[in-house]
Amino acid sequence: QSALTQPRSVSGSPGQSVTISCTRTSNDVNYNYVSWYQHHPGKAPKVIIYDVTKRPSGVPDRFSGSKSGNTASLTISGLQAEDEADYHCCSYVGGYLFVFGTGTKVTVL
Amino acid sequence: QVQLVESGGGVVQPGKSLRLSCAASGFIFKNYPIHWIRQAPGKGLEWVSVISPDGSNEYYSDSVKGRFTISRDNSKNTAFLQMNSLRPEDTAVFYCAYGPAYYYDSWGQGTRVTVSS
Repeated sequence: QSALTQPRSVSGSPGQSVTISCTRTSNDVNYNYVSWYQHHPGKAPKVIIYDVTKRPSGVPDRFSGSKSGNTASLTISGLQAEDEADYHCCSYVGGYLFVFGTGTKVTVL
Repeated sequence: QVQLVESGGGVVQPGKSLRLSCAASGFIFKNYPIHWIRQAPGKGLEWVSVISPDGSNEYYSDSVKGRFTISRDNSKNTAFLQMNSLRPEDTAVFYCAYGPAYYYDSWGQGTRVTVSS
């Protein structure tokens, strides 16, 4: 059972904004280091947000991360067709350990 | 550039074994822990195992503890995942990944494991 819960799916029209939540269900999870991964079928997952709010070089600024209490969030502003993918949150637990969220499918209508 | 290439997946009967490999290049392999992560059909990503940079520490998820063994050969820039007593619920795409800090910077393309009679 994952310690991070995400909605199974979210959808939006091109140009709209969507937000994916990632809720911590265990206090063992270090929530200061949340990362988000975009995963297109058949490809390697790609980090799009790390350390809750930081964006790697090359990731469009329409991807943003935030955290409030036990919930981290990924917002995609100005949704584009190529954003249709699975999105996974992940939190560093401690030592070498990580835990993933349950995953969210984003559909562009 | 950083590259991780998994191999060794395939179709195997329940109870049998497989050994996955993760060949790395483009970074100083011996300096970083290497993780194995899997995705079962229709499911999210699941962290499976990690090995410390020098290979002295290994950690496993409860779902594979006692059945899987992670190892590495720093002279060959390769990590391994020995999977024994495979179960149908181990069917998944297995990825190796690494990162410089508290996230995964690079992933392989994955290798598919199917456990079925």
